[in-house]
Amino acid sequence: DAGVIQSPRHEVTEMGQEVTLRCKPISGHDYLFWYRQTMMRGLELLIYFNNNVPIDDSGMPEDRFSAKMPNASFSTLKIQPSEPRDSAVYFCASLGGTGTEQFFGPGTRLTVL
Amino acid sequence: GENVEQHPSTLSVQEGDSAVIKCTYSDSASNYFPWYKQELGKRPQLIIDIRSNVGEKKDQRIAVTLNKTAKHFSLHITETQPEDSAVYFCAARMNTGFQKLVFGTGTRLLVSP
Repeated sequence: DAGVIQSPRHEVTEMGQEVTLRCKPISGHDYLFWYRQTMMRGLELLIYFNNNVPIDDSGMPEDRFSAKMPNASFSTLKIQPSEPRDSAVYFCASLGGTGTEQFFGPGTRLTVL
Repeated sequence: GENVEQHPSTLSVQEGDSAVIKCTYSDSASNYFPWYKQELGKRPQLIIDIRSNVGEKKDQRIAVTLNKTAKHFSLHITETQPEDSAVYFCAARMNTGFQKLVFGTGTRLLVSP
């Protein structure tokens, strides 16, 4: 398996633009997590899904953020409109239901100018 | 909800020395405690974990100890090597049936040759 796949790896955009981050979990994993990492706030859980259903979105900063998981092999995190304070590395991670280890993707480095 | 505190934020040691990173958690219902290592520019990766029914676990040069009464757990790295230099994150998972991890703020370990 190729592991968790994220795209794009780097994104530079201007304030006010819509940003869409994509994630493909490890095949067979039924949990998917979106994290944001910054120097100031560390590693924050934004939202997670189980069997494509959002379980906990309490970490989503505000209505500008939304996440979807239309099927077991794909999820998106959308920011609209983007702001400079959204600049961070966004990680996606997946977990198989019988396991305990969350496998992280390579991350998307987002810069909002 | 769960809160995880991690200390120190930075740790510098000489090659061959031991390093200890400590974490405390707030929710006594937490039952799973992983440690992740993140090298510069890379994704977090699990290095060791411990469940609440175990007091200590060892894997070669790394070990984790858990004190449920005091609600703290520690990572011990012996005979440190320059390649151990990274940011280490502790985390805790509540015994709710779900897989949500709450991460500590990270410890930057620098091992000097």
